[in-house]
Amino acid sequence: GAGVSQSPSNKVTEKGKDVELRCDPISGHTALYWYRQSLGQGLEFLIYFQGNSAPDKSGLPSDRFSAERTGGSVSTLTIQRTQQEDSAVYLCASSRRQGDHYEQYFGPGTRLTVT
Amino acid sequence: SQQGEEDPQALSIQEGENATMNCSYKTSINNLQWYRQNSGRGLVHLILIRSNEREKHSGRLRVTLDTSKKSSSLLITASRAADTASYFCATGQGAQKLVFGQGTRLTINP
Repeated sequence: GAGVSQSPSNKVTEKGKDVELRCDPISGHTALYWYRQSLGQGLEFLIYFQGNSAPDKSGLPSDRFSAERTGGSVSTLTIQRTQQEDSAVYLCASSRRQGDHYEQYFGPGTRLTVT
Repeated sequence: SQQGEEDPQALSIQEGENATMNCSYKTSINNLQWYRQNSGRGLVHLILIRSNEREKHSGRLRVTLDTSKKSSSLLITASRAADTASYFCATGQGAQKLVFGQGTRLTINP
């Protein structure tokens, strides 16, 4: 079946511009996650949506970052007034309960470059 | 802050050798998962071990978990060039949220 998809795959933007990154999770997965990965580093948790519950925004680095999940499916991560330090790969994942645990399925990521 | 800490940060071995990577964590967990990442893109789930398990196998992968030491190891036997990737451990703490470590970059030399 179809996996998690993200668009665009690459985005180059000028400092100060706003960007929107899109994630289409696997159908039926109730949870959706956004992570950020700087070059050669681990994954930095950004935000997590579960069903109709309030999202866990504890990982968002500043108020320039926001995310929405419409209709419990597609999610958009918005970065306003981009800065060079926002350059990274942004990864989206979705998951569903499998017995006593959750396994995350990742999209291919969006590589954001802020010039 | 990251919960898991992988060790070593980078590992380079010859094809056919075994590769061992370690992960340490700080808080109590329900399970620990290992993921692989090729070329800095999406991660792929490899194996999960529950907190009440000590060892688990999947093909050429062997995972151990020592909850008293808050550590886990991933062993890849008879390595292949295609195993070249970054490997991350992630800890599940009851909720769906996983906390990932910094990863080990594994290079298999032909």
